Amino acid sequence: AQTVTQSQPEMSVQEAETVTLSCTYDTSESDYYLFWYKQPPSRQMILVIRQEAYKQQNATENRFSVNFQKAAKSFSLKISDSQLGDAAMYFCAYRSLYGAQKLVFGQGTRLTINP
Amino acid sequence: ETGVTQTPRHLVMGMTNKKSLKCEQHLGHNAMYWYKQSAKKPLELMFVYSLEERVENNSVPSRFSPECPNSSHLFLHLHTLQPEDSALYLCASSQDIGGPGGYTFGSGTRLTVV
Repeated sequence: AQTVTQSQPEMSVQEAETVTLSCTYDTSESDYYLFWYKQPPSRQMILVIRQEAYKQQNATENRFSVNFQKAAKSFSLKISDSQLGDAAMYFCAYRSLYGAQKLVFGQGTRLTINP
Repeated sequence: ETGVTQTPRHLVMGMTNKKSLKCEQHLGHNAMYWYKQSAKKPLELMFVYSLEERVENNSVPSRFSPECPNSSHLFLHLHTLQPEDSALYLCASSQDIGGPGGYTFGSGTRLTVV
């Protein structure tokens, strides 16, 4: 079974600075999808960014980008120009292309933005 | 609104009560999911439905009983729960079981068992 590990329970960053959240995963599959979700105090999980494993190019969405290292099974999220609204729990998730293809989540990283 | 609506937002129930959580989506998605989110633990997948058929049940105790009457609605029926069942219960949907898309989540039901 696939597992996802986020080794940073909490992170903080100054407003307007850049922060990187770490994620590693374990799988024997060669094709899969990786995601970062954000969960603000409103509790709704919001999709931040998605990466397809067969794509070598790192995904970017405005201020959010990933560093996808397939051989190392690493999928970190970089947030540039941090804003107060970025404060939330961030979850890394893996989705297989096989079987029930369910999302498997890491434990989450709580990000605090300091004004 | 998100497209996935969960009610109620908060629920307090005794261990002998019977209650139901409701999830509704009008996104035209064919797959729906129940997740349990407990403090300091990863989200745990409970049930997966595709086109109203249950495709996965992750060893969930029988005191949790899902129901999917149509592709837009998903229920989680609760009875004789334990205090350790207190958690945030999240519903999600996706276009299909497979594919590159992520899930769309609701805002969850915060359940407290007393």
